[in-house]
Amino acid sequence: GAGVSQTPSNKVTEKGKYVELRCDPISGHTALYWYRQSLGQGPEFLIYFQGTGAADDSGLPNDRFFAVRPEGSVSTLKIQRTERGDSAVYLCASSRGSPPYNEQFFGPGTRLTVL
Amino acid sequence: QQQVKQSPQSLIVQKGGISIINCAYENTAFDYFPWYQQFPGKGPALLIAIRPDVSEKKEGRFTISFNKSAKQFSLHIMDSQPGDSATYFCAVPNTGTASKLTFGTGTRLQVTL
Repeated sequence: GAGVSQTPSNKVTEKGKYVELRCDPISGHTALYWYRQSLGQGPEFLIYFQGTGAADDSGLPNDRFFAVRPEGSVSTLKIQRTERGDSAVYLCASSRGSPPYNEQFFGPGTRLTVL
Repeated sequence: QQQVKQSPQSLIVQKGGISIINCAYENTAFDYFPWYQQFPGKGPALLIAIRPDVSEKKEGRFTISFNKSAKQFSLHIMDSQPGDSATYFCAVPNTGTASKLTFGTGTRLQVTL
């Protein structure tokens, strides 16, 4: 089947605006992760879902960031009152089972630019 | 908070040569050490991972060597090819929770003809 897909591939917004980033995981994968990757850096963990619930949201930088996965499949990362420092590539990954031993399959990412 | 130190930052290797990338970590509660490969504009993809009941794992041209006492592991790419040119990341599970992988800062590998 298809891999992890993310939409949009690019998002340009103005400072202070609200954005939503979507992730479609591989069918049947119960675990879903969001990461943020800044230029020249490795991915930085944001949040992990097992099914519908956020099992670990310790990586969310502040309360402007929120993510949901209401039906245990598609997930949306929501960022309120965007700041220029939020500019990065937001990666989504999914895995068949629980971390850490199950391979995480990454999507191509959404490049967010906050002007 | 887990710290992962990856070196070198960049590497240029001739075709057919050996590429070696190193990773050092502080602590982890989970013995699982993956290496990811990332091409420009793509997400990272798992290249090879070791669960160190062994000190070395080989898959084709790729080998992970693990030194538990030194808290270090390395990726060796034998017979490096131009198609291997990419950025490589090591990752280590966090001490507090298995769900959080801490990634190294990456090594940009360029394999020249």
